[in-house]
Amino acid sequence: NAGVTQTPKFQVLKTGQSMTLQCAQDMNHNSMYWYRQDPGMGLRLIYYSASEGTTDKGEVPNGYNVSRLNKREFSLRLESAAPSQTSVYFCASSLRQDSNQPQHFGDGTRLSIL
Amino acid sequence: AQSVAQPEDQVNVAEGNPLTVKCTYSVSGNPYLFWYVQYPNRGLQFLLKYITGDNLVKGSYGFEAEFNKSQTSFHLKKPSALVSDSALYFCAVRDMSGGYQKVTFGTGTKLQVIP
Repeated sequence: NAGVTQTPKFQVLKTGQSMTLQCAQDMNHNSMYWYRQDPGMGLRLIYYSASEGTTDKGEVPNGYNVSRLNKREFSLRLESAAPSQTSVYFCASSLRQDSNQPQHFGDGTRLSIL
Repeated sequence: AQSVAQPEDQVNVAEGNPLTVKCTYSVSGNPYLFWYVQYPNRGLQFLLKYITGDNLVKGSYGFEAEFNKSQTSFHLKKPSALVSDSALYFCAVRDMSGGYQKVTFGTGTKLQVIP
């Protein structure tokens, strides 16, 4: 059972380049999330998708876009990468956004912007 | 607005000793509370949750947490620490009143279990 799968695991970009981070879940969850993790700041929500066909901004959406391609897949795009976007990015999913069920996380994408 | 605080960046404990990782929260209504663990180069893994009912919640790997409404705390505990418990621990809260509220994560506490 794969759970939440993120690709790639590592990436180095130059400032101004674009990139899409991929995420897929096989748990038939309705809600999916993108977070970034920075030292001393915990996890900050970038965007979320409560259900297929909907997306909403989180705490730190600037510089990012998302696409909920179908129920399984939720991608995060950096249109013009900046050094401030160097971070570890985590995708997560949950049964529903308003449920008491926990979120399930992928193993992250470690992104460096030079 | 909801918030969660983990006042200790790092907790050191000797193997075999009891451990406590602290968490306090602030919500306007009733909270859902969660603990997650993160091992190096891995995503967060769910440990346990408090929804309602018994204030002592038991979870995975021998961990438990005590919900204290008057002190707005949800401390993570384990009677006897293992070296393999060394990891980063996150507390999270969701306010269940007044419509949708996202989950807010704490900044994490690094647990170091010393052999």
